[in-house]
Amino acid sequence: VQLVESGGGLVQPGKSLKLSCSASGFTFSSYGMHWIRQAPGKGLDWVAYISSSSGTVYADAVKGRFTISRDNAKNTLYLQLNSLKSEDTAIYYCARLHAWGPGTMVTVSS
Amino acid sequence: DVVLTQTPPTLSATIGQSVSISCRSSQSLLHSNGNTYLHWLLQRPGQSPQLLIYLVSRLESGVPNRFSGSGSGTDFTLKISGVEAEDLGVYYCVQGTHAWTFGGGTKLELK
Repeated sequence: VQLVESGGGLVQPGKSLKLSCSASGFTFSSYGMHWIRQAPGKGLDWVAYISSSSGTVYADAVKGRFTISRDNAKNTLYLQLNSLKSEDTAIYYCARLHAWGPGTMVTVSS
Repeated sequence: DVVLTQTPPTLSATIGQSVSISCRSSQSLLHSNGNTYLHWLLQRPGQSPQLLIYLVSRLESGVPNRFSGSGSGTDFTLKISGVEAEDLGVYYCVQGTHAWTFGGGTKLELK
């Protein structure tokens, strides 16, 4: 099982970014997937979940700004981040309970 | 929203010492399907989190059996029976009964 995130970087407040997570080694379409973030020096913070049937749930802090989606044909999970704020600065991990990616860093700063 | 409170926030241990971490939930984690979705993760310095224990007490494949989990309802415990140097890092409980929520973490360091 392997998960690899990409798409992070430096972005200005109010701008957008789209993260991707490429999955391999398991039947991606059969599993619900999560995005979790970790601000520098802080603990883990759950962001969003998408079920195998594409039902979605969001943390209150990102509801209306972030969108989780998936493309089962490409074995890829996405997170669209809009209206970014400085407090969204974090490492973003995609994960199943039993597997986590290495993360991609998002820095929101002018 | 479910709040998970972990104690202690920091734990100092010697090699070979047995230690326990507590995770208390603001509401019961017993799901209507009979499962209790309380899990434990370890994040070593500079690494992604990894699963140690799932569904309260089930040991993840490849995890040493010095790790054990117990509890029910709102009170849960992770025990390490004989700390080894590779166990150092931050331990998190996470609940999946009501979306996901993480505890604040317990940092295990060498005394």
